[in-house]
Amino acid sequence: GENVEQHPSTLSVQEGDSAVIKCTYSDSASNYFPWYKQELGKRPQLIIDIRSNVGEKKDQRIAVTLNKTAKHFSLHITETQPEDSAVYFCAAARTGTASKLTFGTGTRLQVTL
Amino acid sequence: GAVVSQHPSRVICKSGTSVKIECRSLDFQATTMFWYRQFPKKSLMLMATSNEGSKATYEQGVEKDKFLINHASLTLSTLTVTSAHPEDSSFYICSARPLGTVSGGEQFFGPGTRLTVL
Repeated sequence: GENVEQHPSTLSVQEGDSAVIKCTYSDSASNYFPWYKQELGKRPQLIIDIRSNVGEKKDQRIAVTLNKTAKHFSLHITETQPEDSAVYFCAAARTGTASKLTFGTGTRLQVTL
Repeated sequence: GAVVSQHPSRVICKSGTSVKIECRSLDFQATTMFWYRQFPKKSLMLMATSNEGSKATYEQGVEKDKFLINHASLTLSTLTVTSAHPEDSSFYICSARPLGTVSGGEQFFGPGTRLTVL
């Protein structure tokens, strides 16, 4: 089955700096890679996703890059703000009727003033 | 749009009792719903995939007789934790994939149910 590794487990940045979270996956057939933000006690919320036919996708301060050859993808948050503080999870899935998400272990991001 | 609700949000029960958790897609239909378990400061672990009108597919190591899943309609799936024990205490989260979504596409998550078994 799929195995997703995520680093770092914790990340502290100053407000205004950039944050980068990296994930690797094992299943070369995976082709859907979402990123979720989860605040304490709340539901995971999709913040951005990318499919394997695209190398990079950007949405305002958030961007995701995908290197399918190396089987890794990264989340980039620029101009971080205190409200970006949360746990971020990457995930990977194959497309298909039986597709399911395999989550990374999570990164706790702390944006300090 | 794409709102998923869960009920109850919190439940405390005694060992040996059964607890039912409901997951509803409020403004869309979902042929597939997923049930996850999350321990404190840990990732989401998929327990089972629930398809409307058919039996759920359980992940390896998840006891199907203990975690009963029913997906009776395109907007409702239920998870029943039978004969609950303290080790079943956890945060249970469901998600739903909208009907017609490209397979492998976006899942929308419910707010979760915190189960405490005394």
